[in-house]
Amino acid sequence: GAVVSQHPSWVICKSGTSVKIECRSLDFQATTMFWYRQFPKQSLMLMATSNEGSKATYEQGVEKDKFLINHASLTLSTLTVTSAHPEDSSFYICSAFKHSMDDSPLHFGNGTRLTVT
Amino acid sequence: DAKTTQPTSMDCAEGRAANLPCNHSTISGNEYVYWYRQIHSQGPQYIIHGLKNNETNEMASLIITEDRKSSTLILPHATLRDTAVYYCIVRGNTNAGKSTFGDGTTLTVKP
Repeated sequence: GAVVSQHPSWVICKSGTSVKIECRSLDFQATTMFWYRQFPKQSLMLMATSNEGSKATYEQGVEKDKFLINHASLTLSTLTVTSAHPEDSSFYICSAFKHSMDDSPLHFGNGTRLTVT
Repeated sequence: DAKTTQPTSMDCAEGRAANLPCNHSTISGNEYVYWYRQIHSQGPQYIIHGLKNNETNEMASLIITEDRKSSTLILPHATLRDTAVYYCIVRGNTNAGKSTFGDGTTLTVKP
């Protein structure tokens, strides 16, 4: 099956620092990856679409300068939360799209719990 | 993508079938129905998807009505480990995977 690895699984950082989260597709190439954020007792909210070799597409209301996305290879996308603040504390989840077939399902990482103190 | 409506929560007895409904009355012809579930503090897990025919795999069955305006996910013999939030998503085959999550159904399997 398709496996997506996300690292780290949890991170605590101080306010004002930056945090990088990695998302890797382990056994398939993903031209497209998606980043979601989830607050407690809420659903997943799509933040951005990460395309290999091009700039990410951000959803309305998501600050692209705060949430930097890099998709430099077909198996790796990174999300960097810059100058993190306590309100950025959340569960961040990536997913990868195989593109082998148009109806391919998404495959998700296990999420990264970010706590900003 | 078409919007979906699911009940907020459902209970099911362990060992019995869990039938989770989803309404997608505005679905269009090229949109598939996908089901995922999310166990607490984990990433969502893909379960099954279909276009218009009923589908079955090792995890579940998906029944789509003839008019495609609704569907039901069936877990044939629910276990305690099936307790999760279940999301029904409709997605077009030209969207390159982009998927929007609604609130889902919290299924609680009880002993």
